[in-house]
Amino acid sequence: QVQLQESGPGLVKPSGTLSLTCAVSGGSISSSNWWSWVRQPPGKGLEWIGEIYHSGSTNYNPSLKSRVTISVDKSKNQFSLKLSSVTAADTAVYYCARAFAVLGSWYDYWGQGTLVTVSS
Amino acid sequence: DIQMTQSPSSLSASVGDRVTITCQASQDISNYLNWYQQKPGKAPKLLIYDASNLETGVPSRFSGSGSGTDFTFTISSLQPEDIATYYCQQYDNLPRTFGPGTKVDIK
Repeated sequence: QVQLQESGPGLVKPSGTLSLTCAVSGGSISSSNWWSWVRQPPGKGLEWIGEIYHSGSTNYNPSLKSRVTISVDKSKNQFSLKLSSVTAADTAVYYCARAFAVLGSWYDYWGQGTLVTVSS
Repeated sequence: DIQMTQSPSSLSASVGDRVTITCQASQDISNYLNWYQQKPGKAPKLLIYDASNLETGVPSRFSGSGSGTDFTFTISSLQPEDIATYYCQQYDNLPRTFGPGTKVDIK
């Protein structure tokens, strides 16, 4: 059973960089899956941030592309998110998720989510 | 980006009722449409993939249909544990996009 666990600071200052890691257990990050980040502002809907394949190939949401970097660490079986120049609008619960198969289709495994608040 | 709309935005129904939610895509997405259930404070849970396929372990009262731009999600007999927000999601194009959600509660 694949499990994903997000970790990182819960509070980030405005104009700073949000950094989160998603540890994958019960499966290999080098499997034929895309690994994704999705966020949800309090009381709002889901927004796709981007995804990475174990080869290092990435896809980002154009609305965030200039500020987002997703990377993978195969030795630690984890992947990471960095979001720069954050504002209060970036306050959200951040989820990591696995997309089934190479096509990056549906999200069959999710982390429990971690709330990141942007505030001074 | 492909825009996803859902209706209604919320609904109240009685236990045992049939509940239907619609999702519309701004362009043809074939059957590349998934449905998730999200309960308060929890991560989304995959229910239906490729418009009509039931994820393993999901009760058969949940179903989905449609293709192209118009999709339907149905709970055949609403149960108290189905209280949640339901989201559709397309994966035909990047960026992946979700519908705004439909909140379901018990009347």
